[in-house]
Amino acid sequence: EVQLVESGGGLVRPGGSLRLSCLGSGFNRNWVHWVRQAPGKGPVWVSHISPDGSLTSYADFVKGRFTVSRDNAQTTVYLQLNSLRADDTALYYCARDHSTSAFNPYNWFGPWGQGTQVTVSS
Amino acid sequence: EIVMTQSPATLSVSPGERATLSCRASESISTKLAWYQQKPGQAPRLLIYAASTRAVGIPARFSGSGAGTEFTLTIRSVQSEDFAVYYCQQHNNWPYSFGQGTKLDIK
Repeated sequence: EVQLVESGGGLVRPGGSLRLSCLGSGFNRNWVHWVRQAPGKGPVWVSHISPDGSLTSYADFVKGRFTVSRDNAQTTVYLQLNSLRADDTALYYCARDHSTSAFNPYNWFGPWGQGTQVTVSS
Repeated sequence: EIVMTQSPATLSVSPGERATLSCRASESISTKLAWYQQKPGQAPRLLIYAASTRAVGIPARFSGSGAGTEFTLTIRSVQSEDFAVYYCQQHNNWPYSFGQGTKLDIK
């Protein structure tokens, strides 16, 4: 059974940085996504990364600020968050894509981790 | 960006009744639609993908239908554990957008 566990969230000042981690079991051959959810709102897709880490994609609102990477030896996917803003405050989830293609994710998500909270405030 | 619109915002049903939730896409997404269930304090759980394919372990009372811009999630005979928020999500075009959710609550 695939399990994902996020960590690395916290309280940070505007302009600050955080690195989120997603430790997974059984997902080294899969695309992995980051999705965030602000309180009382629907989820919002943030980024994804291919199984070998060579292909990545981002939502426009994080381009140039966030970077996704992975270390398959450590079965971990990372999301580096830089230049954080108040509107980045959310619960950040990682989620597995069922695709094992080198080039094409399916872009539907399951399972998800339990999330890690990012709060940006002065 | 494709905008996903769900209706109604809240649906009140009694246990054992049928629930029908709707999702509309701002442009055609073929059958590239997923449904998720989210309970308070939990992560979303995948129910349906490709508009009508149930994910592993999802009970048969959940079914999805639709194509193009109009989609439906039907829960036949709602059980107590089904009261939750449901989200649709298009997986056709970047960025992969979600609806704002429908809350299914007890009448």
